[in-house]
Amino acid sequence: DAGVIQSPRHEVTEMGQEVTLRCKPISGHNSLFWYRQTMMRGLELLIYFNNNVPIDDSGMPEDRFSAKMPNASFSTLKIQPSEPRDSAVYFCASSLVVGGRTEAFFGQGTRLTVV
Amino acid sequence: DAKTTQPPSMDCAEGRAANLPCNHSTISGNEYVYWYRQIHSQGPQYIIHGLKNNETNEMASLIITEDRKSSTLILPHATLRDTAVYYCIDVRAGKSTFGDGTTLTVKP
Repeated sequence: DAGVIQSPRHEVTEMGQEVTLRCKPISGHNSLFWYRQTMMRGLELLIYFNNNVPIDDSGMPEDRFSAKMPNASFSTLKIQPSEPRDSAVYFCASSLVVGGRTEAFFGQGTRLTVV
Repeated sequence: DAKTTQPPSMDCAEGRAANLPCNHSTISGNEYVYWYRQIHSQGPQYIIHGLKNNETNEMASLIITEDRKSSTLILPHATLRDTAVYYCIDVRAGKSTFGDGTTLTVKP
């Protein structure tokens, strides 16, 4: 398996524009996570899906952020409208949750810059 | 919020063992302790996990105290490529919440 695949790797957009980040999890994994990383706040969990269903979105900063997982092999994180403070590296991770075990595998991230 | 506590930074000489401590005093009986590391600009990488017993794999060893309130990750022969931020986390309800981690610098 190629691992968790995120696209694009880099995105530069103007304030107010819509941004869509994409993630393809590892085949067979049943959980998917979106994280955001900044120098100030570290690695923050935004939302967590299990079997394509959002389980916990308490980390989503505000209504401008939305995430979907239409099937087991694809997820999107959308920001509309984007703001400069959304600039960060966004990571997607997937795992196979079995009992209490859930080692997560991370993608290479999308570096988002909003100007 | 992160429920684990780690020192912010540590140094280690190349070739020597690196011992990274973590306190997880609020961990409950059925929660695993996981260790990840993040090398600059890359996504976090899973290292090892444990519940009660000590664990070893090709990357590291994990020593968990009997009361489970703390653990130590051991890199037996640290190399320059082991320089990274190391995160100790507990997983609750399937969620992995990361704290600030320990920045390990391996020096020649």
